[in-house]
Amino acid sequence: DFVMTQSPDSLVVSLGERATINCKSSQSVLYSSSNKNYLAWYQQKPGQSPKLLFYWASTRESGVPDRFSGSGSGTDFTLTIRSLQAEDVAVYYCQQYYSIPHTFGGGTKVEIK
Amino acid sequence: EVQLVESGGGLVQPGGSLRLSCAASGFTFSDHYMDWVRQAPGKGLEWVGRSTIKAHGYTTEYAASVKGRFTISRDDSKNSLYLQMNSLKTEDTAVYYCCRVTWGAFDYWGQGTPVTVSS
Repeated sequence: DFVMTQSPDSLVVSLGERATINCKSSQSVLYSSSNKNYLAWYQQKPGQSPKLLFYWASTRESGVPDRFSGSGSGTDFTLTIRSLQAEDVAVYYCQQYYSIPHTFGGGTKVEIK
Repeated sequence: EVQLVESGGGLVQPGGSLRLSCAASGFTFSDHYMDWVRQAPGKGLEWVGRSTIKAHGYTTEYAASVKGRFTISRDDSKNSLYLQMNSLKTEDTAVYYCCRVTWGAFDYWGQGTPVTVSS
């Protein structure tokens, strides 16, 4: 199985500052024939269901603010929140959909300082 | 508007069974793979399993932790996805979400239905 490791486990950031979340896969999720990374990012706000932010590692889902960006390839990925807003308080998860089982990272909790 | 509404959760004793349902609306259900994901209290997300579409034989896949105990099915005529859970264990306690799959990622999630396995 692919093991997805997120870091840090939690992050405390001031309003307007940058938040960076890392995700490392135990195996490459880059599908060579399509040159696409089978990696998604989700946001789960307190008491809510998860919400898709990015697929193919860096393709922003419709309606996601552009202060969010996804990057990386192969085994190393990053979710960046350029200027943290109060409504961004949430747990963020990466997930690989390259291979079944479609494993998630352990989550990164983002809080406001 | 895409909607996924799970139902059927509740309290069940270890060894018991439960059947979850997910009613879909607002999209062509038969065109999409559908997955189940669960979240134990205070924990992260765990993929449970998948139902493919008619063109792919309605094949199913399962996480090792539930294989042989859980069965996923779907009824495209009713726009519904099901999760039959047998031989339930305390570690199956979680909120269960159904998810629509698009381009491999889970672009819509239901509100979840809680399952508690306890004596």
